[in-house]
Amino acid sequence: GEDVEQSLFLSVREGDSSVINCTYTDSSSTYLYWYKQEPGAGLQLLTYIFSNMDMKQDQRLTVLLNKKDKHLSLRIADTQTGDSAIYFCAESIGNTGKLIFGQGTTLQVKP
Amino acid sequence: GAGVSQSPSNKVTEKGKDVELRCDPISGHTALYWYRQSLGQGLEFLIYFQGNSAPDKSGLPSDRFSAERTGGSVSTLTIQRTQQEDSAVYLCASSPLTDTQYFGPGTRLTVL
Repeated sequence: GEDVEQSLFLSVREGDSSVINCTYTDSSSTYLYWYKQEPGAGLQLLTYIFSNMDMKQDQRLTVLLNKKDKHLSLRIADTQTGDSAIYFCAESIGNTGKLIFGQGTTLQVKP
Repeated sequence: GAGVSQSPSNKVTEKGKDVELRCDPISGHTALYWYRQSLGQGLEFLIYFQGNSAPDKSGLPSDRFSAERTGGSVSTLTIQRTQQEDSAVYLCASSPLTDTQYFGPGTRLTVL
């Protein structure tokens, strides 16, 4: 069945780059997404990539997609303490576009 | 414009009671989704509405769960005879078609 896997925790120092990785199983996914969740808050859409793209850059965020390996990554440049949150990778499934989420990666940014 | 809104933000109920959770999607968005976020199960899809089409209920965990969407806008998720394992944050999202989904703040349900 459909499955999305992420590592659970990442710790970086302020100013460093963060790379959060994700693997997925459904090769028919049209879009892949990154959402951010801060404590006690809902899900904030960070960025997304269409499945026929390899890379997408949006300010400090870079998304890389390796469709052959079904691997997605999110790079945050110049990581700030405000970037501390849980980051969820998600793939859209089928005609409905329902999302299958990974377990979330907790990003800890140390000053 | 306004984002997705959900009410109540918090709901505490006793085991066996029924609860109703409400979602107001972004105006003009035709697709509406319900998800559940719990410690043990992570984020799970529950149900999907698109216009006047029959909803995709494939994610509903039991027949105690139901949802409706009136007039193609507001949606209500109903849980009958609540159980402790229903305790979770229930998230609603809307989308212009079936692409980018925008989430509401969620309703935290606690079943005692």
